[in-house]
Amino acid sequence: DGGITQSPKYLFRKEGQNVTLSCEQNLNHDAMYWYRQDPGQGLRLIYYSQIVNDFQKGDIAEGYSVSREKKESFPLTVTSAQKNPTAFYLCASRVRPSGNTIYFGEGSWLTVV
Amino acid sequence: AQTVTQSQPEMSVQEAETVTLSCTYDTSESNYYLFWYKQPPSRQMILVIRQEAYKQQNATENRFSVNFQKAAKSFSLKISDSQLGDTAMYFCAFLLNAGGTSYGKLTFGQGTILTVHP
Repeated sequence: DGGITQSPKYLFRKEGQNVTLSCEQNLNHDAMYWYRQDPGQGLRLIYYSQIVNDFQKGDIAEGYSVSREKKESFPLTVTSAQKNPTAFYLCASRVRPSGNTIYFGEGSWLTVV
Repeated sequence: AQTVTQSQPEMSVQEAETVTLSCTYDTSESNYYLFWYKQPPSRQMILVIRQEAYKQQNATENRFSVNFQKAAKSFSLKISDSQLGDTAMYFCAFLLNAGGTSYGKLTFGQGTILTVHP
């Protein structure tokens, strides 16, 4: 089935460690996004990528890094520089240039212990 | 930069009744999309309805319809015949579709928690 797969669903991280959240899509979409959602809050954009080997910072990029080496993959690394990483992370994708629908993965919960 | 504002943190409605959720946005652009997404307790983001800015006709999807006022930069969602399964967080979102430094950036409002009571 076509869609967006995020893994792992739940992740625990010790302070000072980097962790990478995976996002894979088989929809042949050009654009991909990473959002962070805190409890009871809206979604805030971390990074987005319009095409392979290109990405832009969103509103809260500090402490995060991404890569886009393949069209179908857009992994997010939460570095130790991110002071409050505990949150729900959502990956999304969109067809370009005419795409008018954004598809979301099921999300990943990251908890710092 | 674009902003999206949802001024109603929480709303409630009785089953079978109608409810309207509000959304306003700010942009100087003319080519964009607007969306309403539903997020139930499972956290899955589900597209409810989409509106293209160049279309004057309001979008409709079954029990869901929008009131799109481009000049006023308003985009409200009306849910008719509310059902218990409509209970969720609802997000309004803006997507710039051409030009500008924010091309392709999807911006969300803060969300409205809707509770449907039996």
